[in-house]
Parts: sequence; C-alpha cells; structure tokens
Amino acid sequence: SQQGEEDPQALSIQEGENATMNCSYKTSINNLQWYRQNSGRGLVHLILIRSNEREKHSGRLRVTLDTSKKSSSLLITASRAADTASYFCATLANTGFQKLVFGTGTRLLVSP
Amino acid sequence: SAVISQKPSRDICQRGTSLTIQCQVDSQVTMMFWYRQQPGQSLTLIATANQGSEATYESGFVIDKFPISRPNLTFSTLTVSNMSPEDSSIYLCSVAGGEGTDTQYFGPGTRLTVL
Repeated sequence: SQQGEEDPQALSIQEGENATMNCSYKTSINNLQWYRQNSGRGLVHLILIRSNEREKHSGRLRVTLDTSKKSSSLLITASRAADTASYFCATLANTGFQKLVFGTGTRLLVSP
Repeated sequence: SAVISQKPSRDICQRGTSLTIQCQVDSQVTMMFWYRQQPGQSLTLIATANQGSEATYESGFVIDKFPISRPNLTFSTLTVSNMSPEDSSIYLCSVAGGEGTDTQYFGPGTRLTVL
C-alpha cells in the first residue's frame, strides 16, 4: 500500500496541553499537507510544507519535515476542546499529477 | 477558496440498488476528485474527473462500479452501482485549490449506509 502511517492512532489530552502527531510516508514527495476532519465530515486544509522546507508555522500549528526519514510531525500548542478532530497527513508525489495520498489519521480528543 | 456542496448528505440504501451523488462547486475548476472513506479509515482516491474527458480511475476501482460524469466545470456526479454493505462509506468530492497551489478543498461528504 502507498498509504502513509500516522501515530498515534488516537490521542487524548487536556485543554492547554500540546498535541504531537507523526506521519511516515514511503515515496519521494513534492510536498506534505495536513488536514483536519471533524466528525466524519469534509476535510479542512491546515498547512502545507514543501520538500525543501524543514519547519513551518501557522498560528498554533508547527509542522516539521524530515525527507531523509520520510517523516513529518504536526504539533498543536495550547490545545482547545475545539481541536477535537481527526488529523490526516497527505503527500503529493513528484509525478506532475495532483494526486494526494492520505495517511491513516490520528483521532485527537481534547477534554476541557 | 472554493465552496463545495454535496447531495445527498446521507442515505440508507438497499443492497443491489444504485445511488448517484452530486458535487457542486461555486467556481469553475479543472480537476475534481472523488474519495471513499470507509468506517474508521482514511481517504482513498477513487478517480479524478476532468471536464471533457473520461475519468481516471485508481487501482481497485472500475467505471462499471463507480461511473462518473463531469458535464461542466462546476459539477460532477459519482454513482455507486449495484451496492453491497461493503460500499457503506463516506464519499467525498474535492477540487484542486487553484493554479499555484497543491491543496484541495473538500465537500462535506455523503454518508452512505447499505443494508
């Protein structure tokens, strides 16, 4: 399977704590993206990091990328109950086709 | 950003029947994508639909089972044919984010249950 792996599969934390999710993938990529899905609904794009970038920030989100290890991490700082969702990484290969390959996802539960 | 709507939002269908899912975008887009998300699983790309050409299907998905139409630049349909309980999933359409971006915008999904 080309699908990436994410860990942990599920993460439960308290509001105010940080949440870290990891993603590993298998092929060379053009970029890696993170998406959020609330309660089995549509996905919302969070952040994109290109293969020549190592770290990127957006608000409370911090993404790192290690192409030598084919891995990425998403850090959500000072989490809120509203961050409760499933988080997916998705990779775009260097094929010229805009085909995203999604990871297995991490279910995050933030308790008040 | 694009606003995408899907119809129906959910449906319960009988084995052996077919369901057509509609995807409407508020702007003209070249590429549209259809995904399947089985219960508790990640998204798997079914096919890419470009206006004016046949859809391109991923390995494991065939046109007879998942026929797709793309009559114009703002609309597409996915039909799930001869359904079985294994087809129970969320079906999502998405569109490319636009020139110069590799992101995708997703519709709210259609939750299908097959009895």
